[in-house]
Amino acid sequence: AQKVTQAQTEISVVEKEDVTLDCVYETRDTTYYLFWYKQPPSGELVFLIRRNSFDEQNEISGRYSWNFQKSTSSFNFTITASQVVDSAVYFCALSGEKNSGYSTLTFGKGTMLLVSP
Amino acid sequence: DTGVSQDPRHKITKRGQNVTFRCDPISEHNRLYWYRQTLGQGPEFLTYFQNEAQLEKSRLLSDRFSAERPKGSFSTLEIQRTEQGDSAMYLCASRKQGYHYEQYFGPGTRLTVT
Repeated sequence: AQKVTQAQTEISVVEKEDVTLDCVYETRDTTYYLFWYKQPPSGELVFLIRRNSFDEQNEISGRYSWNFQKSTSSFNFTITASQVVDSAVYFCALSGEKNSGYSTLTFGKGTMLLVSP
Repeated sequence: DTGVSQDPRHKITKRGQNVTFRCDPISEHNRLYWYRQTLGQGPEFLTYFQNEAQLEKSRLLSDRFSAERPKGSFSTLEIQRTEQGDSAMYLCASRKQGYHYEQYFGPGTRLTVT
């Protein structure tokens, strides 16, 4: 069975602080994909990044960066110099070969990020 | 490129009534997914289609739930004899065929059963 754990239920920071959202996953697949989605108060899930299990390179996109470590089964997400607009619930998700051939997503429970001015 | 759309955005119904939701995927996406999200939880997979074929259903999808995608374009999700436990956000997503593609989500339909 696949599982995604986001241990941080809620994080509060002040604008311009850096913040890291943790994601730990479990899977028996050797090939799998990891995702991060953002869900702002409007409710629509917004795709942020996809990473496959063979690519452990860290990725940076503007203020966002992701750290994938297979050895610890973690795929953490860091926002640098946070802004109020970053306030949202962030979900980590996993898709593996045994999970309907990479088709369906298994989500964590999400981390609510509150950025205050 | 228009995104995934869902209708209605909100639905309030009385217990025992039937409800139907609609999802219009991104036009070139042949895979369509339904998820359910309750408060404080991540989305949970319900079912998915490749074109008009329903390829998988979760055990969460009881006999009261039925989904269709008759022409491989839009999809409907019907809940018969609604129960209070059905209150949730119902999310639709679509993607291109191919295992490395991400899913794009619609705004969801929030169902409240009174």
